[in-house]
Amino acid sequence: AQTVTQSQPEMSVQEAETVTLSCTYDTSESDYYLFWYKQPPSRQMILVIRQEAYKQQNATENRFSVNFQKAAKSFSLKISDSQLGDAAMYFCAYTAFSGGSQGNLIFGKGTKLSVKP
Amino acid sequence: GAVVSQHPSRVICKSGTSVKIECRSLDFQATTMFWYRQFPKQSLMLMATSNEGSKATYEQGVEKDKFLINHASLTLSTLTVTSAHPEDSSFYICSATATGLSQETQYFGPGTRLLVL
Repeated sequence: AQTVTQSQPEMSVQEAETVTLSCTYDTSESDYYLFWYKQPPSRQMILVIRQEAYKQQNATENRFSVNFQKAAKSFSLKISDSQLGDAAMYFCAYTAFSGGSQGNLIFGKGTKLSVKP
Repeated sequence: GAVVSQHPSRVICKSGTSVKIECRSLDFQATTMFWYRQFPKQSLMLMATSNEGSKATYEQGVEKDKFLINHASLTLSTLTVTSAHPEDSSFYICSATATGLSQETQYFGPGTRLLVL
């Protein structure tokens, strides 16, 4: 069964500094996608970044980038120049295509990020 | 693009009554809609998946007669909590994948907070 593990329940970063959130996953599928979602106090789930497993190049979105290590099944999120608005719960998620159909989105337990001014 | 709305944002009801929550894709047609439940400080728990015009697929342990899902059109899905009880109090979130867009990516609504007295 596919699983997603976020080993850091809480993280803290100083404003303007860089922080990395960890995520590992377990799968036997070859065609899958990985996501990082942000859930601020408003509880709206916001897509931060996505990565296709077949792409070797790490995805980037402005200050957000990932380190995708397919062999190690690792998918960490790096936030550069952290801002107060980055404070939120961050969820790593996985979905795969199997037999031509898409599976459900599997979430990690989340990492609560605090940003200190 | 890819905006999903939910209505109402919060609802308080008496035990024994039914509550309907609407999920709409505002600027795209939704291939599939998903309903999640989230308890405080926890990750999202998938309740059911629905496709337009088809019966919803419920996750194990979710009572289909308790949580009625109707996916009437490509832009609207509804979740009705029937005969609600205090233990049904929770945060309910819908999401949708888009026809024509990246179908592996789920776009989330802002959630509905349900309190059953």
